[in-house]
This record gives sequence, C-alpha cells and structure tokens, in this order.
Amino acid sequence: DSGVTQTPKHLITATGQRVTLRCSPRSGDLSVYWYQQSLDQGLQFLIQYYNGEERAKGNILERFSAQQFPDLHSELNLSSLELGDSALYFCASSVGLNSPLHFGNGTRLTVT
Amino acid sequence: GQQLNQSPQSMFIQEGEDVSMNCTSSSIFNTWLWYKQDPGEGPVLLIALYKAGELTSNGRLTAQFGITRKDSFLNISASIPSDVGIYFCAGPFPTGTASKLTFGTGTRLQVTL
Repeated sequence: DSGVTQTPKHLITATGQRVTLRCSPRSGDLSVYWYQQSLDQGLQFLIQYYNGEERAKGNILERFSAQQFPDLHSELNLSSLELGDSALYFCASSVGLNSPLHFGNGTRLTVT
Repeated sequence: GQQLNQSPQSMFIQEGEDVSMNCTSSSIFNTWLWYKQDPGEGPVLLIALYKAGELTSNGRLTAQFGITRKDSFLNISASIPSDVGIYFCAGPFPTGTASKLTFGTGTRLQVTL
C-alpha cells in the first residue's frame, strides 16, 4: 500500500459529461501529480501541484483542470468527455519537488 | 517532448532465469527511478538512483546509473512468477527544475514456469 488513495476506483460515464477524480496524498507529502495511462500506453504526465500551487504542466487538455486544496488533497476535473478520454488516471505524491513519486491504484474511466 | 527508450519492449523468460533491461535518453538525468506496474494497479517504486555510476540493489533487483548519465539498467536475478509486470524507468526532466517525471516506454516481462 503506497498510502496514496484515489477515488472512485472505476467510473463509467457518457460522452459530453463531466467527472471529478479525487486523490489523497501520503501523509506528509506536499506534492501531487496526475498521470494518464491509456490502454497499453506509458504514463503521460498531466499536471503537478506543490503545497496548493500549480508547479508544472504536461500535455493536459484544456477540457481538464485540477487543483490542490489546503488539506493537500487534489481533484482532477474532466469535462466534455470524449471516447478517447477513456484511460487509467493515476495520482502520485512525493515529499518534495524532486523526490520519488508514490502512486495510487488509479481511477479507471470509461467513456461510452 | 523528452522520451526515455526502454529495451527490450517485452520479454518472455523461464522461471529462475536472470533478466536484464535498460533505459536510454538523449538528455542527461540527475536521477533515475525504476518502477514496476502490476496489472490494474499503480506503479510501485523499486529502486532510486541519484549518482552517476551508482549501483544499488533491492533484494533480487540491481540497478545502475550509467556513467554518462544518459542510461540506466535494471537486472532481476532468479526470476519468479510474481516478477510479471511492466517495468518503467523514469527521470525528472528537464534536469534541475521542479519538474515532472518522464516515464520510459516500458518493458513487459512475462515469466513461464
């Protein structure tokens, strides 16, 4: 158990809808990262937060947004969903900005 | 964007065999990390390397940070069925920034009895 908690575990929704994925980092970790993994693909970095502030952005679509709250949990919002957004979404956390990441077990999003 | 190339892409080995996989980059990395991902789960950190030339072991796993800082390898000795999974190398890129981890393309390992 990595200590990173993601909810929900599975999510099935229709095209055009909006969903929110939630992540609680390991106790003491200030940095939260979001990654997307499509079927048989590698992990694509989306966005990083550190102590509530956005620190780095990857290939995140404009339809996607995220935030980190004062209690350090984070949410990833995906809107106007398309079939191609179906993927595993992982949250990871780390103590510092360049510390090793610890991953949650992901949210599997299926868009129908 | 920056990409880490892993080889082999996949491998089938027999239980008890040793495994070797590597990761290369066109850019210098200050840190190399190796992760394993089991089906349906998140990647789990296996080994972290912080210094060029460093050789680190974790049980049956051994990883090395290449002298050029552009490569790393991971060895697994005496493989067992639970070694099945996808192995990813990763490094912070760009170097020196408060940065995102870039993951390699992965090596899928399958072990036959």
